[in-house]
Amino acid sequence: EVRLEQSGTEVKKPGESLKISCKGSGYSFSTYWITWVRQMPGKGLERMGIIYPDDSDTRYNPSFQGQVTISVDKSVTTAYLQWSSLKASDTAVYYCAAHDSNTPPAAFWGQGTQVTVSS
Amino acid sequence: SYELTQPPSVSVSPGQTARITCSGDALPKKYAYWYQQKSGQAPVLVIYDDTKRPSGIPERFSGSSSGTMVTLTISGAQVEDEADYYCYSTDGSGDLWLFGGGTKLTVL
Repeated sequence: EVRLEQSGTEVKKPGESLKISCKGSGYSFSTYWITWVRQMPGKGLERMGIIYPDDSDTRYNPSFQGQVTISVDKSVTTAYLQWSSLKASDTAVYYCAAHDSNTPPAAFWGQGTQVTVSS
Repeated sequence: SYELTQPPSVSVSPGQTARITCSGDALPKKYAYWYQQKSGQAPVLVIYDDTKRPSGIPERFSGSSSGTMVTLTISGAQVEDEADYYCYSTDGSGDLWLFGGGTKLTVL
């Protein structure tokens, strides 16, 4: 069974850095793409980018290029989403989702991580 | 830039058929996927490759495609189907994937 366990709620101040995580289990982590999705308060889903753990091939949607960094550590079967300098507009729930070549995109989802940025 | 367009809201009475559309110029060439998101929960895939239903999804959920529009149909909608529904697909290049704006389905 594919399971994605995301890190817990974060409350940060503007300008601070942050790295949230998504730990995969129950499947071959290296060969499943991990997608990160943002959902701002009361708004829809936005695809941020995707990474292939086996070779760290990473692609960002244009709106998020340069704003966040997506990475993986295969040794701990975990994907990461990080910010170097948070803004209030980064307040959102962030989801990770996984799929491989035999499953639909974003077939399996984590539970989401709430990030609140406020002074 | 590429967009997938959905109606903001659809409302039906229990037992009626709900239809939610998603339009995009690349949809004749690229598959669409539908996700259901209930309040406070993570999204769940309900339709893939335009018309296929994952295991565990009730048969009342179906998908169809015609030209630049795909449609999610819920036949005999139930109160528990109240949720936001999002289509997901890619532009003609296959590199840019994005969600539609979402449709709030009300069943009452």
